[in-house]
Formats: sequence, C-alpha cells, structure tokens
Amino acid sequence: DGGITQSPKYLFRKEGQNVTLSCEQNLNHDAMYWYRQDPGQGLRLIYYSQIVNDFQKGDIAEGYSVSREKKESFPLTVTSAQKNPTAFYLCASKRLGETEAFFGQGTRLTVV
Amino acid sequence: AQSVTQPDIHITVSEGASLELRCNYSYGATPYLFWYVQSPGQGLQLLLKYFSGDTLVQGIKGFEAEFKRSQSSFNLRKPSVHWSDAAEYFCAVGATSGTYKYIFGTGTRLKVLA
Repeated sequence: DGGITQSPKYLFRKEGQNVTLSCEQNLNHDAMYWYRQDPGQGLRLIYYSQIVNDFQKGDIAEGYSVSREKKESFPLTVTSAQKNPTAFYLCASKRLGETEAFFGQGTRLTVV
Repeated sequence: AQSVTQPDIHITVSEGASLELRCNYSYGATPYLFWYVQSPGQGLQLLLKYFSGDTLVQGIKGFEAEFKRSQSSFNLRKPSVHWSDAAEYFCAVGATSGTYKYIFGTGTRLKVLA
C-alpha cells in the first residue's frame, strides 16, 4: 500500500539529547513537510523540501534540522537546542503541481 | 499576512443535529482551501478541498463546505452528525504556486453527545 510512514509512534528523549524522527513515503511525491502540533496551536511548519538535496525553513525551524538525501525520505532531527520539544510531529508529502497533501500518523515526542 | 482563523476551539452537538464549523482566511489571491479531520493520536485525513468552480464542495463522510469570497470564509457543514464524527477539524490554506506551503488554523474539537 502506498502511504507515508512515520516511526516511531512514541519517542522518549532525555533533556540534552538529539533525536531523529523518521518519515518515509512510497507515493513518489516530490514535496515533503514536517509540522509540529501543540494543543490549541494547530499545525506549525518546521521545514519543507520540494526536491532532493534542497529544503527550506518553515515558521519554527530553530532547534530542528532535516536532510533530503532521497526522494522518499525526510528525517527530522530534534536537537538539544530546541527548548520545548515535547509535541506531536506530523510528516506530510505531496506531488508538485497537485493540491492535496497526505499525512503520516505522527510521532509523539516526550522529553523526560 | 496569510492566516487562517477557526474561531471555535470546542463545539458540542447532539448526535443527529446539524453542524457548522467556521473558517476564515486571509490570503492575497484565491487560495486553495482544505478541511482535514484528525482522530486522537492520528494523522490528518482530507475531507474536502476547493480551488475553483462551484463554491459548494462535497467531501467524504457526508461533509460539505461553501466558499464565500466576499466573507473570506470556507465553513464546513454536515446536516446530521454521527458519534463517529467526534474529532478535531482543521481548516487550511494552500499556496497556489511557489513554495506550496500550507497554513493551518488552530483547529476545532468536536464533541458529539449521544
């Protein structure tokens, strides 16, 4: 089945540690996105990428990093510089020229 | 500045009652407009979308939305709510070109009373 796979579903991190969230899609989509979701704040864009080896900062990129070495993969690293990383993270993808974005099931990150 | 406003944080309706979720947007041109639904702990599922043509669009699960340019609104409606509709609903604006970014509203959480 085609879709977007985020892993793991739940992730716990100690303060001061970096952690990487995985996002893989087999939809042959060009563009991929990372959003952060907090209660009452909706979805906020962290990073997005339209093509391999290229990505742009979104509205809340500080403390995060990404890479796009393969078309199907767009991992997000939450660094120790992110002051409040506990949140629900959603990955999305879409084909350039089309309007609909498809979302993964999300990763809930908790800092302990 | 581009923005999406969902003025209702929570809405509670009885099963079988009608539903309207409000969405207002601010955008420089005619945007692409979307409604997504999210069940707890899950990703987002597209309910419907609008970018041109008939201003009343039909979506999945019996939902519809009406684009009103004069009011910069894209309200979601359902004539009869089912208990399974309890979820969080997000209105979003998508760029018609360029960066292909999406801007989401803060969401409306729907509770359905039996």
